[in-house]
Amino acid sequence: EVQLVQSGAEVRKPGESLKISCKGSGYSFTTYWIGWVRQMPGKGLEWMGIIYPGDSDTRYSPSFQGQVTISADKSISTAYLQWSSLKASDSAMYYCARLDEALYSYGSLFDYWGQGTLVTVSS
Amino acid sequence: QSVLTQPPSVSGTPGQRVTISCSGSSSNIGSNIVNWYQQLPGMAPKLLIYRNHQRPSGVPDRFSDSKSGTSASLAISGLQSEDEADYYCAALDDSLNTYVFGTGTKVTVL
Repeated sequence: EVQLVQSGAEVRKPGESLKISCKGSGYSFTTYWIGWVRQMPGKGLEWMGIIYPGDSDTRYSPSFQGQVTISADKSISTAYLQWSSLKASDSAMYYCARLDEALYSYGSLFDYWGQGTLVTVSS
Repeated sequence: QSVLTQPPSVSGTPGQRVTISCSGSSSNIGSNIVNWYQQLPGMAPKLLIYRNHQRPSGVPDRFSDSKSGTSASLAISGLQSEDEADYYCAALDDSLNTYVFGTGTKVTVL
């Protein structure tokens, strides 16, 4: 059974750093892209970026380039999303999701999703 | 940031048929497959319809989709209380080289 299990909720102060995780199981972690999706309170889904754990090839949405860092450790089947200096506007639910086909290929979609990690940034 | 536009909300009574529209452009809906996700309250999104009208195991055939030009739509027939959720369309955008989601539609069963 394919599963993506994310780390638990986090509370941080503005300016602090944070790294959240997404552990994959039940499939070959190194051969599927893992994406990150933001959902701000009461808002819709926004694609942030994506990583191929096999070689750590990473792409970012222009809206998130330079704002976050996506990484992966294939030895433990885990992808990460990190911030070096959080802002209050980073408060949101963050989901990881598996891409079922090659990146940017016709019909590619996110087929399995993690349960989400709630990040709260408040002074 | 959403480049796919959906109505904020739709509602219907049990048994009714409702439709959700998703409007995009030639670089996303016009040239790529539209997939649909259902997000139940407090839950992660779940794939609902994908790749030309396919439904994952467990999704009832009350859910169907269609596409014409740069617009797509999701239909729910025989509306049930458990269909109350947020629904999102999604597609690849060839110009932006990003995956884009719709603005989301909240379905309410009256």
